[in-house]
Amino acid sequence: NAGVTQTPKFQVLKTGQSMTLQCAQDMNHEYMSWYRQDPGMGLRLIHYSVGAGITDQGEVPNGYNVSRSTTEDFPLRLLSAAPSQTSVYFCASSYGGRELVTQYFGPGTRLLVL
Amino acid sequence: GENVEQHPSTLSVQEGDSAVIKCTYSDSASNYFPWYKQELGKRPQLIIDIRSNVGEKKDQRIAVTLNKTAKHFSLHITETQPEDSAVYFCAASKGNFNKFYFGSGTKLNVKP
Repeated sequence: NAGVTQTPKFQVLKTGQSMTLQCAQDMNHEYMSWYRQDPGMGLRLIHYSVGAGITDQGEVPNGYNVSRSTTEDFPLRLLSAAPSQTSVYFCASSYGGRELVTQYFGPGTRLLVL
Repeated sequence: GENVEQHPSTLSVQEGDSAVIKCTYSDSASNYFPWYKQELGKRPQLIIDIRSNVGEKKDQRIAVTLNKTAKHFSLHITETQPEDSAVYFCAASKGNFNKFYFGSGTKLNVKP
C-alpha cells in the first residue's frame, strides 16, 4: 500500500491564481481531512469528509473548496490564491467510526503564494 | 468549537531525563486524545492515544495521562534519547472522531 499520497510536494502561485492539491489513499478509509500547518499554530482543519459524496467545513474553510466523488480521492481547491494561504497542507485519512480512529497523514504540500 | 492549548512551546532536556508536555481542552464532550510526533520536514505520526474511559496508558518509554475533571492530558517521555527530538502535538476529538482539534505544538530538544 502507498498509504496517503499528496501532489505536488511544492508549489509557487501568484496571488489570484487557482490550483488543486491532490490527495489519494489506497486503504479504503471512509474519513478524509485537509489541514494547514502554520508556524506556532499547529494543524488546523480546513474541510473533512466522512464518505464519498459527503463533505463538511472545519475550522478554517474560507478560500477552499473540496469534493469527494470517490472513496480514494479528496482534492482541495484554491479558487483565488492569497498570500495568507501560504502554508504546508496535509491530507489525512482514517477508517472512521468509534474503533479504528487512527489518522494517517500524507507527506504534505508546501505552498507559497506571492 | 473545541479549543486545545498546549504547553510548553519549547522544551529542552538532557539525554536520559524525562519530558512532560501538557494540554488542556475546553469541550467536556471530547473523548479521544491522540499525540503525534513530527520530525523536521516530515508528516505527523501517531505515537500514543487515550480515550476518556481510561486514566493512563503506557507504551514503553511513553505514557499519557488524562484528567477528565480538570480537562487536561499530558505526555510523559522517560529516559529521553536524541532521536526523541521533534515537535509533538496533542489533539482532541469526540463523537465519531471525524474532526480533530490540535494544540500548537511543543518543540522538544534532547541534548546528548
